[in-house]
Amino acid sequence: AQSVTQLDSQVPVFEEAPVELRCNYSSSVSVYLFWYVQYPNQGLQLLLKYLSGSTLVKGINGFEAEFNKSQTSFHLRKPSVHISDTAEYFCAVSEYSSASKIIFGSGTRLSIRP
Amino acid sequence: KAGVTQTPRYLIKTRGQQVTLSCSPISGHRSVSWYQQTPGQGLQFLFEYFSETQRNKGNFPGRFSGRQFSNSRSEMNVSTLELGDSALYLCASSIYGTPNYGYTFGSGTRLTVV
Repeated sequence: AQSVTQLDSQVPVFEEAPVELRCNYSSSVSVYLFWYVQYPNQGLQLLLKYLSGSTLVKGINGFEAEFNKSQTSFHLRKPSVHISDTAEYFCAVSEYSSASKIIFGSGTRLSIRP
Repeated sequence: KAGVTQTPRYLIKTRGQQVTLSCSPISGHRSVSWYQQTPGQGLQFLFEYFSETQRNKGNFPGRFSGRQFSNSRSEMNVSTLELGDSALYLCASSIYGTPNYGYTFGSGTRLTVV
């Protein structure tokens, strides 16, 4: 069965600084990978996804992530954050072999300091 | 186009009661999944429906049940409510009949059990 580990529960960063949110996954088969963002009192919104092809994936709001199969990682990056990026970020995985569910990591709370 | 609609947004129930939550997916999305989100356990998969059939179920007691109608709308029911059932319940729908390409989430139903 697949699993997802988000290594940092909280990441504080200054406005306009770069940020990286780390994600590692475990699976015995090929996977699809996702990053979602959740703003307070809202559902989750898809930031980006890796299905196949280029390992560097660009998403909304200036975020990008790189799939590294050898390290089973899918870290999320942004070169310059804004106050509006304050939210919780979830890494998620689904397996090629399973058509029925996506497993989420425990989340990383990104707080931006002015 | 309209997003995923969950009703009600907020609900307060007493221990021992039962509750029904509703989810209307994006038009054309036939796969509907449900998640429970709590601060301690994060996002936990409840079940997934496609064409009125439950294809996958998470590790929740039998008090948690769901169904899907012919128009793809879904409901979940929790019977004999416990304090620990207090959570944000999120519904998500998927295109192509599989969650593998990512979900679109609703805003959730916040259930408080007192």
